[in-house]
Order: sequence, then structure tokens, then C-alpha cells
Amino acid sequence: QQQVKQSPQSLIVQKGGISIINCAYENTAFDYFPWYQQFPGKGPALLIAIRPDVSEKKEGRFTISFNKSAKQFSLHIMDSQPGDSATYFCAASTATSGSRLTFGEGTQLTVNP
Amino acid sequence: DTEVTQTPKHLVMGMTNKKSLKCEQHMGHRAMYWYKQKAKKPPELMFVYSYEKLSINESVPSRFSPECPNSSLLNLHLHALQPEDSALYLCASSPVNLGMGNQPQHFGDGTRLSIL
Repeated sequence: QQQVKQSPQSLIVQKGGISIINCAYENTAFDYFPWYQQFPGKGPALLIAIRPDVSEKKEGRFTISFNKSAKQFSLHIMDSQPGDSATYFCAASTATSGSRLTFGEGTQLTVNP
Repeated sequence: DTEVTQTPKHLVMGMTNKKSLKCEQHMGHRAMYWYKQKAKKPPELMFVYSYEKLSINESVPSRFSPECPNSSLLNLHLHALQPEDSALYLCASSPVNLGMGNQPQHFGDGTRLSIL
């Protein structure tokens, strides 16, 4: 019940296209959903996060869509750029989990020029 | 540049060596974390310190020994490691969760550890 399932495992998008990464969870106690971006040789960097009291959050070209009833959330990258090529991890945690983040398995995004 | 600094960036050690990984943050965060990350996998939580006290140990083998000397520093002491311990070791920090919801964790760039 602690799993977060992320798809696809890898994604290739053309420059200017929309990249969409999906995550699904089972634990209804999850109340914080961050997305991390990781470049090779670097640590994960917090990209954007959402709490379940909103259905969408947008920061620049990055948008999280959240569907509480379906227990799904997704990351949309608009106008994808080659510089967005990285591994993306969704994650989830509960307020009582002692700050434990449950990560998805990751999506390797490649944006072709 | 990240605000969580880890040293060294790379470390190669034999199975009988003793070494330490260091992590420093100056964001005033009072929660600090050690993660282990294998290639093409998500980070796995190892330890959590809250107000310089160990609050979570995810059943990590005793050959890994964490230490939090003050609110800005976090160490991971390594002894008698195995080849399967080769990985990227990440440090993170965050404000403490005071029951008002989880706080974002900020990661360093890690130490790439290779065990010969």
C-alpha cells in the first residue's frame, strides 16, 4: 500500500512537444506529492509539489494535475526543451510518516532537438 | 549550485577501509537525511535526523554509522563495506515536519562510492 507506480519508464518527445508522466498510488493517507528532476551526476532537485486540496498546480512550463478520486497525479511539461532531458521521480508522503518519501521508479525523459 | 554540499564527490575504498562522507547545509533546516541510490533507481531512505537526534533508521546494516554533530552537519561513517554497497549516497535536508504537513527535501549532489 506504500507503493507509487510511475509510468512510462522512458519517454522520447520532440522539442516543443508536451511531456506527460503519470503516477498512481494506493495509500489514501498520502498528503504531499512532490516531483523531482535528476540530471546525470547530480542529486534530485525539487521541481514542483502539490497537496490534495488542489487539483492542479502550475509553475512555468511545469504543471501537476491531481485526481484524488482516481488516486493519480501527473506531471505535464509544456514546450519541452532538450535541457529538460533528465530522470523524473514522483513521490508521496504522509504527515505522519516521519518525512518518509515513497518514490516512483522514475521516468527517463529525452527531448530531441 | 545546490545548497546542500557533500564531500567527497567520489570515493573509492577497499572492503577493510574506514572512511566518512560529509554533508553540510546552511538553510537552517533541522531535519537531515541520508539516502542510497543505485543506478536507474529511486533514492532509498537510510537515516533521518531531527533536531540532531536520530529519528529513523531504515534497518541499515551497522557498517553504516550516521552522526549529526550539529544542526548544519551530517556525517556517514563507513566501515567494512561490501561491493554491493557501491552506490550514490545522497544527503538531504528540510524543515522539520511539525504536524503541519510535510516539508520539501533539498538534496545534495551526492558522493559516488565504489567498493573494491
